[in-house]
Amino acid sequence: DQQVKQNSPSLSVQEGRISILNCDYTNSMFDYFLWYKKYPAEGPTFLISISSIKDKNEDGRFTVFLNKSAKHLSLHIVPSQPGDSAVYFCAATPGSNYKLTFGKGTLLTVNP
Amino acid sequence: EPEVTQTPSHQVTQMGQEVILRCVPISNHLYFYWYRQILGQKVEFLVSFYNNEISEKSEIFDDQFSVERPDGSNFTLKIRSTKLEDSAMYFCARRDYGDIQYFGAGTRLSVL
Repeated sequence: DQQVKQNSPSLSVQEGRISILNCDYTNSMFDYFLWYKKYPAEGPTFLISISSIKDKNEDGRFTVFLNKSAKHLSLHIVPSQPGDSAVYFCAATPGSNYKLTFGKGTLLTVNP
Repeated sequence: EPEVTQTPSHQVTQMGQEVILRCVPISNHLYFYWYRQILGQKVEFLVSFYNNEISEKSEIFDDQFSVERPDGSNFTLKIRSTKLEDSAMYFCARRDYGDIQYFGAGTRLSVL
């Protein structure tokens, strides 16, 4: 059951450059999408979210883009910093009262 | 934004034993969730809890699992007879009125 897919297990970028993390979903009922960051031995930390009524949401260095027709979202980090190195999870839900469905995550490494 | 506190951080148990994992909210939250992540796999939903009742549960959440809020504060996940395959990180999450779930640091359960 892979309703949320993150096809790149890892991504390596240079400090200062852009990091682009991708996520695809199959369930048309998903209405709200979230990105979480996770460091080893810690819980997922909320990063940014987007509702299906929008196609872009921005918060500082982080921007999430949603393409509903393609069932695709992406997280852009500009500029990337070494402290951004972590596993990034894409998650989706049909609405507030429902569970989150997670992707497998992408390990981002930002090299100094 | 404060998350929830989970105890213990690491629990080692023998197969067949009962374990209780605890989640302590910072304040009086409305919705609680338990998720787990088996090593190398995605974060999976177990159960959601609202107003002292289970509101949704997954196929994983079978009869050996139970949740309760015994004193109106702590939120617990009990596994009655642990199996080797229950070894995982267990995360508690809380949500108030918005769409965002905030996670604790997790409990690492090791079943020997």
